Amino acid sequence: GQNIDQPTEMTATEGAIVQINCTYQTSGFNGLFWYQQHAGEAPTFLSYNVLDGLEEKGRFSSFLSRSKGYSYLLLKELQMKDSASYLCAPMDSNYQLIWGAGTKLIIKP
Amino acid sequence: GAVVSQHPSWVICKSGTSVKIECRSLDFQATTMFWYRQFPKQSLMLMATSNEGSKATYEQGVEKDKFLINHASLTLSTLTVTSAHPEDSSFYICSARTLTSGRSDTGELFFGEGSRLTVL
Repeated sequence: GQNIDQPTEMTATEGAIVQINCTYQTSGFNGLFWYQQHAGEAPTFLSYNVLDGLEEKGRFSSFLSRSKGYSYLLLKELQMKDSASYLCAPMDSNYQLIWGAGTKLIIKP
Repeated sequence: GAVVSQHPSWVICKSGTSVKIECRSLDFQATTMFWYRQFPKQSLMLMATSNEGSKATYEQGVEKDKFLINHASLTLSTLTVTSAHPEDSSFYICSARTLTSGRSDTGELFFGEGSRLTVL
C-alpha cells in the first residue's frame, strides 16, 4: 500500500530552526513535493526533490533519500508567518501525488 | 509561477440545488487538472483526475454522478456538485499540472485558491 508518515504537530520558537521529517511508501516513485498550507487556504508549492540530496531555497531546504524512503523539510530563521501545515507528497509511478495529513507547525514568539 | 484561478471562492446554497465550480489555468495550458476535497483538519483528498477532452477518472468512493467534472479546454475544468446536501459542505480545491517543453513532466502542481461550499 501507499503510506505517508509525518508528525502531526510541531512547535518551534521564532528565529530558530525546525526539521519536519517524512517517511513514505509508494508504488513507484517520481519525486517528492513539499507544500505549505495556511489554514483555510490552498496549498502552495515549496520544493521538489527527485534525486538524493539537499535542495536549498532561501530559508527552506528539502532533503531526499530514495533508498530510505525519507525526506525532510528544514526551515531556518523561523518567522511567525511560517505557522502553517506542511504537506509531504511523494509522486507515484502514475505521476499521482500521495497526500499525507501534514504537519501543523506552531511558531511561538 | 503559473497561475490557477478558481471561482467562486465562497458559495452557500440550499440543499438539493447544484453548484458549479470553475478552475482556470491563466497563463499555461493544463492537460491535466485535479480536484480535491478537504474537510476541516484533514488532509487533501483527491476526488478525480480530469484530462482535457476525455472523461475524468474518479477515485474510489467518489460518486461520478454526483460530482460532474468537465474539462472542455486546456485552460478550464469545472466541477458540478449536483443535488448538494449538507454533508457535501467542504473546501474544494483544484490544481493543474504544467508540462515543460523539452523535459519530462515534473508534475509540479499549481493550486487554485479553493472554493468553500456550505450547503444549508
